[in-house]
Order: sequence, then C-alpha cells, then structure tokens
Amino acid sequence: AQKITQTQPGMFVQEKEAVTLDCTYDTSDPSYGLFWYKQPSSGEMIFLIYQGSYDQQNATEGRYSLNFQKARKSANLVISASQLGDSAMYFCAMREASRGNQFYFGTGTSLTVIP
Amino acid sequence: ETGVTQTPRHLVMGMTNKKSLKCEQHLGHNAMYWYKQSAKKPLELMFVYNFKEQTENNSVPSRFSPECPNSSHLFLHLHTLQPEDSALYLCASSQAGLSNYGYTFGSGTRLTVV
Repeated sequence: AQKITQTQPGMFVQEKEAVTLDCTYDTSDPSYGLFWYKQPSSGEMIFLIYQGSYDQQNATEGRYSLNFQKARKSANLVISASQLGDSAMYFCAMREASRGNQFYFGTGTSLTVIP
Repeated sequence: ETGVTQTPRHLVMGMTNKKSLKCEQHLGHNAMYWYKQSAKKPLELMFVYNFKEQTENNSVPSRFSPECPNSSHLFLHLHTLQPEDSALYLCASSQAGLSNYGYTFGSGTRLTVV
C-alpha cells in the first residue's frame, strides 16, 4: 500500500488566490512527522513545513499552512495569496519514528499559478 | 546555496562509461542519502548512510555503487548503466534519529544514459 498519496497530478490557481494541495498518509506508527517540499524546475527540493503527529495545532510557516486531520490521516498544504514563484512540484512526505531515517514521498502535485 | 552541493548538475554518459556523482554537505548532519527521481514516480530511496556506515540498500542494482568516505561527502559510482537509469539523482542529508527533522536536499544531478 502507498504510504503517501497525492491524488492531484496538476493544479492551477489564480495569482493572489489560495490553493489546497491534498495529501493522505498511511501508518500504524503513533509517532511520525509529515513534511511538504517544493521542487521548482531547477530540481532542488525545498523544505516548506513540518507537522508532528502529536502536535495539537496546525503548523504554519508564512503563507504555508498544513491542515492536519489526524483521524482522516490527511495533511493538506494550503498556500495563501499565491505568487507566480509558487509554480512548482509539491511533494508530501512522511517519516515514521519506528523506521528511523527513511522518508516516504508521494508522487507530487504540479502547481501552476496563473497571472 | 542549499547547504548540500551536488556535482555535476548534468551528466550524459554512454552505457559503457564509468562516472561518479558527488555530494557534499557542511551542515553537521550525520546521515546522507541517495534518491532517484523518475518522471511520474515517487522518489525512490537508494542508499542511506548513518555516521558513514551504510544502513540501507533498497535493492539497488550493483551498477550503482555508493561510497561515503566521511560524514560530509557521499559519492555514487556509476558503471554500465541502462537507458532506464536516466533520472534526476538527489542527495540529501539530515540529523539521524530525529523523526521531526527534515532532509536538506541538493539540487540534483540530471543523468541521461545514451
């Protein structure tokens, strides 16, 4: 079974609008971390935001927020006030405490911001 | 500057060639990784090194040979590759043992096997 599922291969959003990128995960480990990365066309993977399984509040980092719904095992990324520079691939990832250093990545969502 | 530097950025090689990819980090991290990224597939973990010791090898063919001479450097030696090995190869580093600690990635090496 897929550990991380991203069901939106491509998304479009108007500049200055908000967009939600979906991510669901599968784990039986009570301790885990959820991450979002951005990959522009240059190839580099840029860390955006982290949510721990025991965190009571949704994580926020500037224009990025993570809508964490633990019971539904979803960790959607919300980008507010989209900018042209937000156009990139976005990957959801999970790290389980019991699995040490291994990350599991989804297949990614390609976001295009339209002027 | 990401803190993790990969060279070369682009590499074209024939199936009979031998080449090496290099990764370097000066973030004080003690774990380093090689990932393969092919189009429309999740990132595939290839190798994990903790404190210079290889701890994972995810059934990677022997034509890929990693080397970790110290905690700051990681190499991926390539020989007799196949066209399906063409992909973006990403190096990452992290602090081992901390589940809330993310990776720092390099910019990748775009490999084309002809």
